[in-house]
Amino acid sequence: EDKVVQSPLSLVVHEGDTVTLNCSYEVTNFRSLLWYKQEKKAPTFLFMLTSSGIEKKSGRLSSILDKKELFSILNITATQTGDSAVYLCALNYGGSQGNLIFGKGTKLSVKP
Amino acid sequence: ETGVTQTPRHLVMGMTNKKSLKCEQHLGHNAMYWYKQSAKKPLELMFVYSLEERVENNSVPSRFSPECPNSSHLFLHLHTLQPEDSALYLCASSQGTGIGNEQFFGPGTRLTVL
Repeated sequence: EDKVVQSPLSLVVHEGDTVTLNCSYEVTNFRSLLWYKQEKKAPTFLFMLTSSGIEKKSGRLSSILDKKELFSILNITATQTGDSAVYLCALNYGGSQGNLIFGKGTKLSVKP
Repeated sequence: ETGVTQTPRHLVMGMTNKKSLKCEQHLGHNAMYWYKQSAKKPLELMFVYSLEERVENNSVPSRFSPECPNSSHLFLHLHTLQPEDSALYLCASSQGTGIGNEQFFGPGTRLTVL
């Protein structure tokens, strides 16, 4: 049973489109929710969310957490081909120290 | 070198071989992790070392043996692996394991077991 579910699993858009990636989860006693971007090998950190309703923003990317409805979204506006990657959502799970539970990721392809 | 480095980047081994993966972090962190990434599966946490003590095992088979001689270095010793162990093995580090736990990943080792 997956604790972290990301949707869609894959997405193809054209440059300039806006996309919304979803991450839903089951557990409530987690410390934080993190978003990563994985292009070739190493995931790179994007955002850490701990509080519900507070948007984190970095350039064209933004993310928000809804602890009541148990989900988070990652928005990318004015997409570029360089945004093509797998976007991973992870819960910093309270069960064990340092235990990150990852979703399967959303593969985003941005076409010129 | 900065960040988190891993060697080798690619490894092909037979089922009877013994090999080791190496990870080094230059960020002054005190926690290090091994993850396994298989095709179409989520990243799976294998081991956590915090302040050089192992705090999580997650029932990984004994053919994987971690070693953390100090806070900057982490090894994964491999022996008598199976073809299904073929995957990308990622190392990560963080400053503590608490609320933030922003983990920085290395480039990974692509392992193929024949």
